[in-house]
Order: sequence, then structure tokens, then C-alpha cells
Amino acid sequence: QVQLQESGPGLVKPSETLSLTCTVSGGSITNYYWSWIRQPPGKGLEWIGYIDDSGSTNSNPSLKSRVTSSVDTAKNQFSLKMSSVTAADTAVYFCARGVSGSYEFDFWGQGTLVTVSS
Amino acid sequence: EIVLTQSPGTLSLSPGERATLSCRASQSISSSHLTWYQQKPGQAPSLLIYGASSRATGIPDRFSGSGSGTDFTLTISRLEPEDFAVYYCQYYGSSLWTFGQGTKVEIK
Repeated sequence: QVQLQESGPGLVKPSETLSLTCTVSGGSITNYYWSWIRQPPGKGLEWIGYIDDSGSTNSNPSLKSRVTSSVDTAKNQFSLKMSSVTAADTAVYFCARGVSGSYEFDFWGQGTLVTVSS
Repeated sequence: EIVLTQSPGTLSLSPGERATLSCRASQSISSSHLTWYQQKPGQAPSLLIYGASSRATGIPDRFSGSGSGTDFTLTISRLEPEDFAVYYCQYYGSSLWTFGQGTKVEIK
């Protein structure tokens, strides 16, 4: 069974860079695409961006200038960096898997809360 | 940019009742790109329906999806206690994913 686990600091200061890593176990990172999705407390889901195993990326236009994604196939991990964070970036951040040729996310991490505060 | 609007915002029903959730797209979309998720408190969303009408692995047949064009529906034929949750629709297009704002199904 594929499992995804997010890791990273739970508290980030305003204007700094949020960094998260998702570790994939029970399956390969190759031949899939990998997304980040966030959910502010009490609110809905917002797709942040994706990366595939070749390093191709795309991100939400509303966040594009602040988002950088990377993948480490040797470690079965992919990562998110979001710069210049504000309190509006406080959310639970999920990583999720998509199968190439399909359009849904079939496995999700449990999520990690990131709070932006001084 | 495609916008997904879900209605109603909250649905108050009793166990055993039928739930009908709507997801409307701002323009016509391919039904193969429409997905439904269920999210319970404190948990990640879980895949329910993909391609507008195909149930994901392990999803009971009381859940069904339908629709085309701009109007899509998730139906739960007889609500079980574990079905009270928030449901999101999602669309993929042009290498972007968009979520609806969610419908909460609560116990009446």
C-alpha cells in the first residue's frame, strides 16, 4: 500500500520560505505525478502545484511566482518551497499522487499544519 | 479559468435518506476530468468517484456520480453514519486542478 508522509517545520515566520517534503513509501515515485494541495483552517481545498518524475512542473497561477517544486527519485521524495509567506498561507498542506493519464489524486498524505506567525 | 460551484453548502439529512450534491462548472468540461472526494474531520480527502461516474476501489455502490457538460451530481442512495462528511468536486484542465468549495453533509 502506497503511503505519503509530509514533513517540515510547523511554524514559519512571515516573509520567510516554507519548505515541505513528501516521502513516498510502498511504491515508486516514477511514472506518477505528485501534487501539493492546501487547506486553510475551516476552509476548502486549494491545489498548489505538481511535479512529475522527470521534473516537469506546473503550479496554481495565483501562487506561481512563489512556488518551487523538486523531486528526488533516489530518495522517493518530492518537495515544495513557497517564498514570502504571509498569514494567509497558514494551512494544512497535503501531498498527493496522481497516475499518469488520469486526472484524480488516488493517494494522499495525512497533511501537516503550517502556521505563519512571528 | 474554470470555476466549480457546489450546492448546497450544507445538506442536513437523516441516516437512510438520499443525498444529492451538485457541482456546476462555469463552462462545459470533459466528464473524464471530473472527480469527487470525501473528507472527514481531521483527515485527508479520499477518492470517491473519478471520470464523473466511476467508483474508486472499495467505494460502496450507494455512491454514484453522473452528469456532463456543466452539471455534475454525486448521489448517496442511503446515507450511512460514516457518510456524514464534506464532499468536494475537482476538475483538471490545462495542467491545472481546481476544487469546488465543498458540500457538508450533516446529520439532521
